[in-house]
Amino acid sequence: DTEVTQTPKHLVMGMTNKKSLKCEQHMGHRAMYWYKQKAKKPPELMFVYSYEKLSINESVPSRFSPECPNSSLLNLHLHALQPEDSALYLCASSQGQGIGSPLHFGNGTRLTVT
Amino acid sequence: AQSVTQPDIHITVSEGASLELRCNYSYGATPYLFWYVQSPGQGLQLLLKYFSGDTLVQGIKGFEAEFKRSQSSFNLRKPSVHWSDAAEYFCAVGASKTSGSRLTFGEGTQLTVNP
Repeated sequence: DTEVTQTPKHLVMGMTNKKSLKCEQHMGHRAMYWYKQKAKKPPELMFVYSYEKLSINESVPSRFSPECPNSSLLNLHLHALQPEDSALYLCASSQGQGIGSPLHFGNGTRLTVT
Repeated sequence: AQSVTQPDIHITVSEGASLELRCNYSYGATPYLFWYVQSPGQGLQLLLKYFSGDTLVQGIKGFEAEFKRSQSSFNLRKPSVHWSDAAEYFCAVGASKTSGSRLTFGEGTQLTVNP
C-alpha cells in the first residue's frame, strides 16, 4: 500500500474543462512533487514544493497550476489542456528536498484529455 | 549534465533464473544512484540507493546493485527471479545534495518473467 494517496485514479476531461488532481501524504514529509509520465517513458519532473513553497518549476505551461495548501496536501489545477497532456500524473513526497531523501510515489492519476 | 542509459529496453527471464539489469551513468563527480520499480498501474517504488561507502548495496525484495566507478555502472541483480518481479525498472541519478529532487531517470527496462 502506498503512503501517498492520489485522487482521482482516472480522469477524463475536455479541452475546455477545469479540473484538479489531489495528493495527500501523512508521513511528515516537507517536500512534495508532481511528475508527468507518458506511456513507456520515465517520469518527468514538473514541480517541487519545499516547506509549502514552490521551489522548482520545470518550465511547465501555465495551463498546469500547482498549489500546496498545507504540508500534507498538494493539488494540480488543470485548465485548457491539450490532448498531448494525456498521461499518468504522479505525486511524490520526500522528507527533505536533498538528494539523500528518497522519493515516495503515489499510484498516480491517469488523465485523458479529449 | 548528468545522464543515465539503460541499454536493455526489454528483458525476458524464466522464473528462478538470475537477473541483471544494466545501468550506465554520466556525471563528473560522485553520483547519487537509485533503482526504482514500477508495476502496471502503480507509482514508482524505491528498491535501493547508493550514496557512498560500500559499493555493493542491498535493497528490498532480494535485489542488490553494485556501483563500479571505473565502468560508470550501477547494475541491478537478483539471484532468483519471481513472477511478481515482472515490472518496469528505472535507474536514476542525482548529481549532488543541492540538486535535490532533480533526479534524471533512464528510459527504463521492462522485465517479463516466464513461468
